[in-house]
Amino acid sequence: GENVEQHPSTLSVQEGDSAVIKCTYSDSASNYFPWYKQELGKRPQLIIDIRSNVGEKKDQRIAVTLNKTAKHFSLHITETQPEDSAVYFCAASNPNQGGKLIFGQGTELSVKP
Amino acid sequence: ETGVTQTPRHLVMGMTNKKSLKCEQHLGHNAMYWYKQSAKKPLELMFVYNFKEQTENNSVPSRFSPECPNSSHLFLHLHTLQPEDSALYLCASSQDQRYEQYFGPGTRLTVT
Repeated sequence: GENVEQHPSTLSVQEGDSAVIKCTYSDSASNYFPWYKQELGKRPQLIIDIRSNVGEKKDQRIAVTLNKTAKHFSLHITETQPEDSAVYFCAASNPNQGGKLIFGQGTELSVKP
Repeated sequence: ETGVTQTPRHLVMGMTNKKSLKCEQHLGHNAMYWYKQSAKKPLELMFVYNFKEQTENNSVPSRFSPECPNSSHLFLHLHTLQPEDSALYLCASSQDQRYEQYFGPGTRLTVT
């Protein structure tokens, strides 16, 4: 089955710097890759997603890139702000397995003012 | 924020108790999910229901018993739990299994 590895597990940056979180997946048939943000004590919320027919997607300060050949995808946050501090989860979904999401281990991002 | 609701938000139960967690979605979705979130671990999928039919049981112990009476409601019945079952239990829903999942606020369960 699908396996998703996420790195780093913790990331600390200064306000204004960029942050990059990387995930690799094992199942080449996976075709949907969402990123969720979970603030302390709150529910995970989708912040951006990408499907396998595109290589990059951007939404204001966040972007996701996908390399299907290497089976990895990354989240990029530019001009980080303290409110970006949260745990970020990547996930991969294989339509041949009912589309269930397999999550990475999570990255705890801390943005220091 | 109110699209997917869960009750109770916090639950403390002994190992011999029987309790139920409730999830309700107001989004007209057809798929619903139970996840377990433990500290320092990824989100673990437990059960998936699609159009009220269970389509996934991710090797979950029988002390967890799901129920989906209709597409809007999902329950997780708990009995004879173990302390290691203490975790945040999250419910989610999606239009169908290929689309974005919306999470509820979770139930923080402590087994004593």
